[in-house]
Amino acid sequence: AQSVSQHNHHVILSEAASLELGCNYSYGGTVNLFWYVQYPGQHLQLLLKYFSGDPLVKGIKGFEAEFIKSKFSFNLRKPSVQWSDTAEYFCAVVSFSGNTGKLIFGQGTTLQVKP
Amino acid sequence: NAGVTQTPKFQVLKTGQSMTLQCAQDMNHNSMYWYRQDPGMGLRLIYYSASEGTTDKGEVPNGYNVSRLNKREFSLRLESAAPSQTSVYFCASSPGTAQETQYFGPGTRLLVL
Repeated sequence: AQSVSQHNHHVILSEAASLELGCNYSYGGTVNLFWYVQYPGQHLQLLLKYFSGDPLVKGIKGFEAEFIKSKFSFNLRKPSVQWSDTAEYFCAVVSFSGNTGKLIFGQGTTLQVKP
Repeated sequence: NAGVTQTPKFQVLKTGQSMTLQCAQDMNHNSMYWYRQDPGMGLRLIYYSASEGTTDKGEVPNGYNVSRLNKREFSLRLESAAPSQTSVYFCASSPGTAQETQYFGPGTRLLVL
């Protein structure tokens, strides 16, 4: 079965530090990749997505992610985090079975940014 | 624009009780989903509905039933709640398929004693 693995479960950073959250998936075929974010007390919302084309994807709030097919990775980055980036981050991949796709989520990474 | 709404926001049940979680979307989306979120396990798909009148099992369907009442509404029913079903439940919708961006509701926190 396809799976998504996020390497860091809890990350603590100071403001202005750089961020990289790891994400690896097991599916070997064509993939659609997503990063979702859940701010405290809010809905999950889309941060960015990759379907095809340029493997470096830019999302909202200065986040970006790079799809590296050879490494089955889709790591999330931000050069300088802010206190408002404190949230839980989920990597997800669409897993296809026949003509049906299902979204498979990683375990999530809790990011705490200290002011 | 309300997006995806869920009721109730919080519920406490005793083992063996039944309840229905309600979900509605006003974006005219075809597909709707139910997930559960547990610490350290991310979100796991319980059931989904690719279109009105169809439902399919996801990764963890045991102990749950669903109804796609119409295009807007997708309910999740626990017939006999168990402590293992203590979780946060999220409903989501997407325009067509899971390949597209999914839009999530605020979640329902369920505690089964």
